[in-house]
Amino acid sequence: EVQLVESGGGLVQPGGSLRLSCAASGFTVSSNYMSWVRQAPGKGLEWVSVIYSGGSTYYADSVKGRFTISRDNSKNTLYLQMNSLRAEDTAVYYCARDSDGSSVNYFDYWGQGTLVTVSS
Amino acid sequence: DIQMTQSPSAMSASVGDRVTITCRASQGISNYLAWFQQKPGKVPKRLIYASSSLQSGVPSRFSGSGSGTEFTLTISSLQPEDFATYYCLQHNSYPLTFGGGTKVEIK
Repeated sequence: EVQLVESGGGLVQPGGSLRLSCAASGFTVSSNYMSWVRQAPGKGLEWVSVIYSGGSTYYADSVKGRFTISRDNSKNTLYLQMNSLRAEDTAVYYCARDSDGSSVNYFDYWGQGTLVTVSS
Repeated sequence: DIQMTQSPSAMSASVGDRVTITCRASQGISNYLAWFQQKPGKVPKRLIYASSSLQSGVPSRFSGSGSGTEFTLTISSLQPEDFATYYCLQHNSYPLTFGGGTKVEIK
């Protein structure tokens, strides 16, 4: 059974840092494109970042230079390092399988989400 | 970047109604479009992929159509469990972009 379990969310002050984790089971993170998607309270979905199976990364302009996506293949885990956090980064953060390279299996698996609150 | 314009942003409908939601892409995305349903406090659930392919386990009253820049999600006969917010997602190129969402409420 495929499972994605996020952790690491919490309350952080503006300018602070936080690292989110997404532990996967049932499939291999490094063989897939993996993305982070966020949702601010009462708002819509916003794509944040992707890491390709080959290791390349891409970011939304809103987080570029502040967030870093990575993975640990030995732990089958995806990460999102968030620095210089702002109030507007407050959201539920979801990890998701972006794609297995096919035109069928994309955004079919999501984690349960972890809440990040940036406030003083 | 590709912009996804979703309409309407909200609608009221009755059980049994036919519901149509539209997404328009700012440039052609072939059929790289998916539709998601999200209920309050829940994780988004994929309903449709590749514009018109029904996700396994999703009721057949949901259907998708379109290619290029115009896409439609149709619910043929709205059921009580369908009251939710719906989002489209273009998966043609990064940055990926979601539509703004359509909240379907009970009339």
